[in-house]
Amino acid sequence: GAVVSQHPSRVICKSGTSVKIECRSLDFQATTMFWYRQFPKKSLMLMATSNEGSKATYEQGVEKDKFLINHASLTLSTLTVTSAHPEDSSFYICSARGWGGGQETQYFGPGTRLLVL
Amino acid sequence: DAKTTQPPSMDCAEGRAANLPCNHSTISGNEYVYWYRQIHSQGPQYIIHGLKNNETNEMASLIITEDRKSSTLILPHATLRDTAVYYCIVSRPTDKLIFGTGTRLQVFP
Repeated sequence: GAVVSQHPSRVICKSGTSVKIECRSLDFQATTMFWYRQFPKKSLMLMATSNEGSKATYEQGVEKDKFLINHASLTLSTLTVTSAHPEDSSFYICSARGWGGGQETQYFGPGTRLLVL
Repeated sequence: DAKTTQPPSMDCAEGRAANLPCNHSTISGNEYVYWYRQIHSQGPQYIIHGLKNNETNEMASLIITEDRKSSTLILPHATLRDTAVYYCIVSRPTDKLIFGTGTRLQVFP
């Protein structure tokens, strides 16, 4: 299947700082990438859809100025959590739509665990 | 909101087949049934998807009823490493995937 990577895998930061998370499709081009967050023992919640070369589409209730998304190339999307606060601590997961094993579907990264102190 | 209903949890003995059901009675004609699983603290892993025909790959089989209102994911010989949360999602290929609460499968020795 297609491979999606995320960096960093975990990050600890102080309250008020900004954190950037990278999502890369390693062996395919992805015109569309997605960002999810997941709280402990909860399901994945879609935050936004990122299309290469255009502005991201945010889900209702997600602050676009808080969670900045950039999709500058067909293999890279970034999520920046600005002025992070403890309530932003979560597991952030990206996915990319692409072809793998003859199937076009969404492939997910391993996730980034953010802890804001 | 998720368009599928799954049991919250299931158990399966190692080596036996795990049959995970999913109801999707409001599925539209152009929506596929996707299955993903999430092992603890990892990103979801794609398993299989189908439109109306039964599908099989190296991981699992997907059985979709003729009316497409329900489906079953079959892991033919479950192992301890198959312990995970399994998500059944209906979506068009170009749409975003919305996750429900899934089924927590526990495989025991």
